[in-house]
Amino acid sequence: DAKTTQPTSMDCAEGRAANLPCNHSTISGNEYVYWYRQIHSQGPQYIIHGLKNNETNEMASLIITEDRKSSTLILPHATLRDTAVYYCIVRATQGAQKLVFGQGTRLTINP
Amino acid sequence: DTGVSQDPRHKITKRGQNVTFRCDPISEHNRLYWYRQTLGQGPEFLTYFQNEAQLEKSRLLSDRFSAERPKGSFSTLEIQRTEQGDSAMYLCASSLAGNGEAFFGQGTRLTVV
Repeated sequence: DAKTTQPTSMDCAEGRAANLPCNHSTISGNEYVYWYRQIHSQGPQYIIHGLKNNETNEMASLIITEDRKSSTLILPHATLRDTAVYYCIVRATQGAQKLVFGQGTRLTINP
Repeated sequence: DTGVSQDPRHKITKRGQNVTFRCDPISEHNRLYWYRQTLGQGPEFLTYFQNEAQLEKSRLLSDRFSAERPKGSFSTLEIQRTEQGDSAMYLCASSLAGNGEAFFGQGTRLTVV
């Protein structure tokens, strides 16, 4: 699976949009970009995934660059409950089944 | 269905003892995964089942670790002769084949003293 690079930590004000970047310059054509988050003392929670088109669901939006070498997870109106570690993971849905987690980005939402 | 369930949530054991953890996946999910997470690190893959077949094991899974999923439903992870380095959060996840979305349990926190 391709390696991803994320900032170690980020801060965002409550009510503002949180934009979390991820670099995945070695991504292959059949690999998807997945985002999970982990709130303290809980298991990781799936947020969103995409291949090349931008995706949106009730939790977030995922913007993938045209060359697919980077992406941004957007939490449109961050709340204090969005404080968590956010993991960007690249994997194919076929073949290797495991998720390979990096260090993630520790996002702190400030009141 | 209340999601992936793990039991116990916390376990404190003395070094050298054996421990067993249980994971109940979401009922229709045929894939089940075990991960280990130490403080400040992301989860690390240990092993994965499709139905009752164990299809992949990480090199992290030493011979003291064994996982089973006898009827393709719940799974157990046993650690024999525990060591202090085994102290970690053990996470279970499940998914449907062909769908990449994995649902995680709350984890079992193991402390070896």
